[in-house]
Amino acid sequence: DIQLTQSPSFLSASVGDRVTITCRASQGIRSYLAWYQQKPGKAPKLLIYGASTLQSGVPSRFSGSGSGAEFTLTISSLQPEDFATYYCQQLNDYPRTFGQGTKVEI
Amino acid sequence: QVQLQESGPGLVKASETLSLTCSVSGGSISSYYWNWIRQPPGKGLEWIGYVIYSGSASYNPSVKSRVTISVDTSKNQFSLKLSSVTAADSAVYLCARHSDYYAPFDYWGQGALVTVSS
Repeated sequence: DIQLTQSPSFLSASVGDRVTITCRASQGIRSYLAWYQQKPGKAPKLLIYGASTLQSGVPSRFSGSGSGAEFTLTISSLQPEDFATYYCQQLNDYPRTFGQGTKVEI
Repeated sequence: QVQLQESGPGLVKASETLSLTCSVSGGSISSYYWNWIRQPPGKGLEWIGYVIYSGSASYNPSVKSRVTISVDTSKNQFSLKLSSVTAADSAVYLCARHSDYYAPFDYWGQGALVTVSS
């Protein structure tokens, strides 16, 4: 299985901060990576796929980059509604796997 | 707008079979991949498997010997059966859709909490 390791696992930030989350894969996955946002008691919401393509309706302050085995999710200016847990997911192979999550806290 | 809704018992006894159904509305179940994912309380996401409209399925090796995912196109539903459950199978079970081999999960159900009791 392809292992995904996110860093950091927890992140404390303030409104307006620029936030970057990293996802490293145990082997190359080309650009087949997605990012999700999950709030407590809710299903994950797709933010980015293809490593850098913004899902329709997602604010432009979210961006993704990377290819191969290292990827980043950046929030350019953190908003109150962005406090949540973020997961990366590899789409290159089965079984599909997720990172362990990064919780963004105030 | 496509909507997914999980349903099934919230409490299952250890060693028995967990059964859940995901009902799809606002779109046809044909031509997509339909997934089950689980999330133990306070933990991360684990993909369980998918089924496509033809009935062909793929499973995570971690549960492959115990899981069956099936589809009922006449009811626009797909189902999960997980046998010989233990406390480790207690989780929120979510259903989700993706459109092709490399596609992300674009629609999700709200999730159903299943607790395994001894």
